[in-house]
Amino acid sequence: ILNVEQSPQSLHVQEGDSTNFTCSFPSSNFYALHWYRWETAKSPEALFVMTLNGDEKKKGRISATLNTKEGYSYLYIKGSQPEDSATYLCASYTGKLIFGQGTTLQVKP
Amino acid sequence: NAGVTQTPKFQVLKTGQSMTLQCAQDMNHEYMSWYRQDPGMGLRLIHYSVGAGITDQGEVPNGYNVSRSTTEDFPLRLLSAAPSQTSVYFCASSLRGRSYNEQFFGPGTRLTVL
Repeated sequence: ILNVEQSPQSLHVQEGDSTNFTCSFPSSNFYALHWYRWETAKSPEALFVMTLNGDEKKKGRISATLNTKEGYSYLYIKGSQPEDSATYLCASYTGKLIFGQGTTLQVKP
Repeated sequence: NAGVTQTPKFQVLKTGQSMTLQCAQDMNHEYMSWYRQDPGMGLRLIHYSVGAGITDQGEVPNGYNVSRSTTEDFPLRLLSAAPSQTSVYFCASSLRGRSYNEQFFGPGTRLTVL
């Protein structure tokens, strides 16, 4: 993998559903993996920064895991709420912070 | 703290015009960067700076110049605007240029080049 790639590109779920997205990144020369949440008409805000293989971070209903050997990170949202609707960006730091295209989540009430 | 501020919020230019997008932060952050956001492309790094007097190129630097004369300010200059530079521009800063430092983003500048 040469770039940071996120899947799926967009996701529609019902309120209460749990969901997860994937971020794939180059595993060589890896320093850190960032997750940001970006609400419409606002600026991106940091959710997590992870540096170690096997790292797990949690903030409320949102959690993330990191596998640096195989170059992927998962973001999980448990019991999605309409206020979770946003674009979720991951970024890999390899001397510079390079972002993926994002996963746009829409949670329907 | 005002955080990261950007001016203007909106700008329309004609092809060939020049302008400067302003970015300032009051958090004493060493690291500052500029991104552009285009549909389906996520955030792409234009230029970044690890401290006053030091700048470097990101993924898409062509057509843009930067300088960093103070810790607080990191202006982005378009010398001769082109329609391909129509985009939303975000400035961001972090405490240091370290891998584990989260970035704080400004509100963005929406630029249209006709």
